[in-house]
Amino acid sequence: AQSVTQLDSQVPVFEEAPVELRCNYSSSVSVYLFWYVQYPNQGLQLLLKYLSGSTLVKGINGFEAEFNKSQTSFHLRKPSVHISDTAEYFCAVSHGSSNTGKLIFGQGTTLQVKP
Amino acid sequence: IAGITQAPTSQILAAGRRMTLRCTQDMRHNAMYWYRQDLGLGLRLIHYSNTAGTTGKGEVPDGYSVSRANTDDFPLTLASAVPSQTSVYFCASSEGTRMNEQFFGPGTRLTVL
Repeated sequence: AQSVTQLDSQVPVFEEAPVELRCNYSSSVSVYLFWYVQYPNQGLQLLLKYLSGSTLVKGINGFEAEFNKSQTSFHLRKPSVHISDTAEYFCAVSHGSSNTGKLIFGQGTTLQVKP
Repeated sequence: IAGITQAPTSQILAAGRRMTLRCTQDMRHNAMYWYRQDLGLGLRLIHYSNTAGTTGKGEVPDGYSVSRANTDDFPLTLASAVPSQTSVYFCASSEGTRMNEQFFGPGTRLTVL
């Protein structure tokens, strides 16, 4: 069975500092990986996705993530965070080997950016 | 383009009552999904539909039903609400393949007393 683990439930960081949000997955088949962001009282929106090719993926708002197949990880990074990056971040993996659009989500990581 | 709309925005409901959460998309996506979001548990899939006329059960389907009469609409019904169904409910849609991202609605906050 597939699963996604986000290793930190909360990550506090000061403004302009770098941040890494960790995500590990387990799967017996090839995967596609996604990071979503949820701002307070809103739905989720896509930050970036890995389908194939370069293992370093760049997304919106200066975020990037690196796919590491040997470590089954897809960590999200930003070199300098802003107050406006305060939000909940979800890692997700495509479901199974059948060609459906179902996703399996991690538990979420709350990024708290402090002034 | 509105994307995905959900109604109502929030609702307080007495236990035992029937409730339908509405979801409409205007992107002509094949697939649609219903999730519930609970603190510390992330998003859990309730039901999904790969295309109009078909539905499937997700991770937590008990107590919920869905229908997909057309491409645009995907209502979620609680036949007899219970307090454990208090949650924030999100509807999403996608093109429907493994490579496609999902687009989310703004959510419905439901409280069952």
